[in-house]
Amino acid sequence: SQTIHQWPATLVQPVGSPLSLECTVEGTSNPNLYWYRQAAGRGLQLLFYSVGIGQISSEVPQNLSASRPQDRQFILSSKKLLLSDSGFYLCAWSRTSGRRYNEQFFGPGTRLTVL
Amino acid sequence: DQQVKQNSPSLSVQEGRISILNCDYTNSMFDYFLWYKKYPAEGPTFLISISSIKDKNEDGRFTVFLNKSAKHLSLHIVPSQPGDSAVYFCAAILYYNQGGKLIFGQGTELSVKP
Repeated sequence: SQTIHQWPATLVQPVGSPLSLECTVEGTSNPNLYWYRQAAGRGLQLLFYSVGIGQISSEVPQNLSASRPQDRQFILSSKKLLLSDSGFYLCAWSRTSGRRYNEQFFGPGTRLTVL
Repeated sequence: DQQVKQNSPSLSVQEGRISILNCDYTNSMFDYFLWYKKYPAEGPTFLISISSIKDKNEDGRFTVFLNKSAKHLSLHIVPSQPGDSAVYFCAAILYYNQGGKLIFGQGTELSVKP
């Protein structure tokens, strides 16, 4: 079976500090990977998606970046956090073919608070 | 530009009654829709989906209806149970060459009262 891990679960960071959130998927190969953010009182916003190692597509201009150094590893980073970066960050994966191709599976999320 | 809209931020129903959650979309290119359920501080979990070639899909207590001409879909939960209390997100897929991007609505918080 497939599992998706995210860490840390919660994070409190000062404004201007760097950020690194990590996501790994087990039990599947060559997944599509996604980063979403849910800001307080708002829906889920797609930030980045990746169809393969080193391939990143950005959906929203911002001070965040994403990288995929390995097939099942997806990292969300920032050099300098802003207050507006606070939110709940979710990693997700999906198959590229086959049954349930359309479904995205979400990780447990990381609650980021920027002070 | 909100392409997927859930205009009711919250809904309260009595246990045993029907819950109806609504979702509207603007992009006629969407042809696959999903509903996710989300508890606080957890990732969303898939609930049910529907392709545009259908107008109804049923899974146990959950039924999703799609009206393409109106660009509207709804999720029916019958009978509603207290454990159904959560935020429900409607999502539509935009396809790219190897996958699909989910475009989410803002969510509707359902509260089922005993």
